Amino acid sequence: AAGVIQSPRHLIKEKRETATLKCYPIPRHDTVYWYQQGPGQDPQFLISFYEKMQSDKGSIPDRFSAQQFSDYHSELNMSSLELGDSALYFCASSFGTGNYGYTFGSGTRLTVV
Amino acid sequence: DAKTTQPPSMDCAEGRAANLPCNHSTISGNEYVYWYRQIHSQGPQYIIHGLKNNETNEMASLIITEDRKSSTLILPHATLRDTAVYYCIALRRGGGNKLTFGTGTQLKVEL
Repeated sequence: AAGVIQSPRHLIKEKRETATLKCYPIPRHDTVYWYQQGPGQDPQFLISFYEKMQSDKGSIPDRFSAQQFSDYHSELNMSSLELGDSALYFCASSFGTGNYGYTFGSGTRLTVV
Repeated sequence: DAKTTQPPSMDCAEGRAANLPCNHSTISGNEYVYWYRQIHSQGPQYIIHGLKNNETNEMASLIITEDRKSSTLILPHATLRDTAVYYCIALRRGGGNKLTFGTGTQLKVEL
């Protein structure tokens, strides 16, 4: 069965650089959620999109932005990267309101040096 | 969404049942109990969810008390591959609600 696809799997960037993470949801899923998980921490919600519109916002820094495109894939753009942005970034997708569960991708490991 | 409380860690012998408790004493009538697990550095994986009836699937069973203030996830025959952090989440379905992860239970399955 198709899963949530995230790319790249690993990314190394220098401080003050920009990074773009991509998420391809399960076909027919219309809602995408982004999470950040720092070392030894629990996943923290960043932002979500439903039908290409932002539906909820968590503790996402102003340096980050995201959008969902017409094909429902989503991109998380991170600028002026800081060392503290080093983390695993997970994307999850659901159909509508998530009544049938949320499926997570394998994540992107971002390392800022 | 209601706050949930779980023990920080538990151990279980391989082949035995793992019973993971969760307290959600302030859960409201329209909030479901969801269980997810995260194997080291992998994406969280859906296990099971329920409202008030006990539920069972190929992975686990979920027992919810009659007053819905607590629940127990049961892995009937734990294996080493079940070693993971298990999260119990109370979630009101609808409106694109996101999962909010608290501090789950680190389950270690040992030989």
